[in-house]
Amino acid sequence: DVKVTQSSRYLVKRTGEKVFLECVQDMDHENMFWYRQDPGLGLRLIYFSYDVKMKEKGDIPEGYSVSREKKERFSLILESASTNQTSMYLCASSLAPDSYEQYFGPGTRLTVT
Amino acid sequence: DQQVKQNSPSLSVQEGRISILNCDYTNSMFDYFLWYKKYPAEGPTFLISISSIKDKNEDGRFTVFLNKSAKHLSLHIVPSQPGDSAVYFCALVFGNEKLTFGTGTRLTIIP
Repeated sequence: DVKVTQSSRYLVKRTGEKVFLECVQDMDHENMFWYRQDPGLGLRLIYFSYDVKMKEKGDIPEGYSVSREKKERFSLILESASTNQTSMYLCASSLAPDSYEQYFGPGTRLTVT
Repeated sequence: DQQVKQNSPSLSVQEGRISILNCDYTNSMFDYFLWYKKYPAEGPTFLISISSIKDKNEDGRFTVFLNKSAKHLSLHIVPSQPGDSAVYFCALVFGNEKLTFGTGTRLTIIP
């Protein structure tokens, strides 16, 4: 069974803080993804990675960066958190290159005050 | 500009009846289509998919229909059960593995 875990279920941070969201998958998947989910907007892709130390911008990368030092771990970084980054953050992984099915973690509800 | 739209934010269906969820897209280059289901406090889980060379795919109570000329995708659930109450997202693929998700439809099955 594929397992994708995220470091926190709920997080409250102050404006201007640096925030780290961690994601770990245990199935040796090549690809990893970070999304945010907002009401009425669905899931929007922030960043993704096809391999260790590789990263690609998604549709809404502004205000975020990522790190992938190990295959199983993909971190999302908010360099200076702002209130408009209050959202549900979802991490996913998939087995490249022919699988479109992505496996999601449970999500982190981030509130920036 | 939203490339993938689910025009019904919510849908209520009587238990045992058919649930029909719809998804419209604008880019005819999408070549693979998926449906995901999401319960509260959980991540989305894959439900069913279809490639652009087909117009129907069935898996138990779930059937996905693709109308390429209308750029329309639909998910039929029959018979609907209380456990089907969730948010459903369509997700479309073009070329690489990047998924473009729809806005979601909250389905409520009324016992």
